[in-house]
Amino acid sequence: AQKVTQAQTEISVVEKEDVTLDCVYETRDTTYYLFWYKQPPSGELVFLIRRNSFDEQNEISGRYSWNFQKSTSSFNFTITASQVVDSAVYFCALSFFAGGTSYGKLTFGQGTILTVHP
Amino acid sequence: NAGVTQTPKFQVLKTGQSMTLQCAQDMNHNSMYWYRQDPGMGLRLIYYSASEGTTDKGEVPNGYNVSRLNKREFSLRLESAAPSQTSVYFCASSERSRSSYNEQFFGPGTRLTVL
Repeated sequence: AQKVTQAQTEISVVEKEDVTLDCVYETRDTTYYLFWYKQPPSGELVFLIRRNSFDEQNEISGRYSWNFQKSTSSFNFTITASQVVDSAVYFCALSFFAGGTSYGKLTFGQGTILTVHP
Repeated sequence: NAGVTQTPKFQVLKTGQSMTLQCAQDMNHNSMYWYRQDPGMGLRLIYYSASEGTTDKGEVPNGYNVSRLNKREFSLRLESAAPSQTSVYFCASSERSRSSYNEQFFGPGTRLTVL
């Protein structure tokens, strides 16, 4: 069975602080995909990043960066110099590549509520 | 290009009533999904449709049925609503490829309250 744990239920920071959101996953599959989604107060889910299990390269996109470590089954997300607009719920999710009708089944973590104060 | 659309946005039902949540996508995606979001539990998969003509149960299918009407539309039906089905429902779609996996695109959600 697959499981995603986001141990941080809520995080509160002041603008311009750096913040890291933790994600730990469990899976028996050797091929899988990890995702981060953002859910702003408006409610929609916005895709941020996808990483497959064979690509442990860290990624940086503007103020966002992701650290994928298979050895610790973690896929952490860091926001540098946070802004008020970063306030949202952030979800980590896991899927597996098994072919056929198993495509696309995402297992989500519980989400981390990030509040950035001015 | 509207992406994924859902109707209605809000709905209040009484226990035992039935209703259908509608979802449509205009991205020519093969796969579509229904999730429910409850506080502190993230999103949980109710049903999914890997391609037109197929549907499969997800993690929490009890009390729901689905219909993949065509490639664009995927509806979720509550036959006899219960208070435990009070939730926010999201529809999503994704391209389906044997060589890679693509992200899911989500609709705006339907907030359902069952009294």
